Amino acid sequence: SQTIHQWPATLVQPVGSPLSLECTVEGTSNPNLYWYRQAAGRGLQLLFYSVGIGQISSEVPQNLSASRPQDRQFILSSKKLLLSDSGFYLCAWSGSGYEQYFGPGTRLTVT
Amino acid sequence: GQQLNQSPQSMFIQEGEDVSMNCTSSSIFNTWLWYKQDPGEGPVLLIALYKAGELTSNGRLTAQFGITRKDSFLNISASIPSDVGIYFCAGPTTSGTYKYIFGTGTRLKVLA
Repeated sequence: SQTIHQWPATLVQPVGSPLSLECTVEGTSNPNLYWYRQAAGRGLQLLFYSVGIGQISSEVPQNLSASRPQDRQFILSSKKLLLSDSGFYLCAWSGSGYEQYFGPGTRLTVT
Repeated sequence: GQQLNQSPQSMFIQEGEDVSMNCTSSSIFNTWLWYKQDPGEGPVLLIALYKAGELTSNGRLTAQFGITRKDSFLNISASIPSDVGIYFCAGPTTSGTYKYIFGTGTRLKVLA
């Protein structure tokens, strides 16, 4: 069966520091991968998605970037965090069907 | 672009009651997905619908793909305290971009 992992689970970082969040998927190959951000009590905002290694589509101009160095690995990065980058970050994957599955999320607090 | 409107935004119900929520769009969807999100966790896929008119159950949950393909409904029977959470509808866009559209969510609170 397929599983999706995210780490770290929680992170507290000062303004101006770099960021690296990692997501990996097991049990499937060539998944479509997604990064979402969710503000407290709000809906899901799509940040990036990828349909293959090295292929990244950005949805919202922002202080973040994404990379896909391996088929089942998706990384969310920032060179300098802003206060507004705080939120709950979710990684998700979809395969040949239309179902999308989410990871457990990373709670980021920028202080 | 495609949008999904969920209603109600929030609801308080008594334990044991049935719950209904819906999701509507001005454009057609070919797949409807229903998720539940507990606080501090990622959304969990509850039900996937693929065909207009389809009615699918998962335990006490039943979801329907509207005939017009512009709406979907989720019903929860005999609610229990662990049903508390946010329920999202979603669907892949029909533009061929691999993106998904999410509703704004229905927050459910169950009173014991």
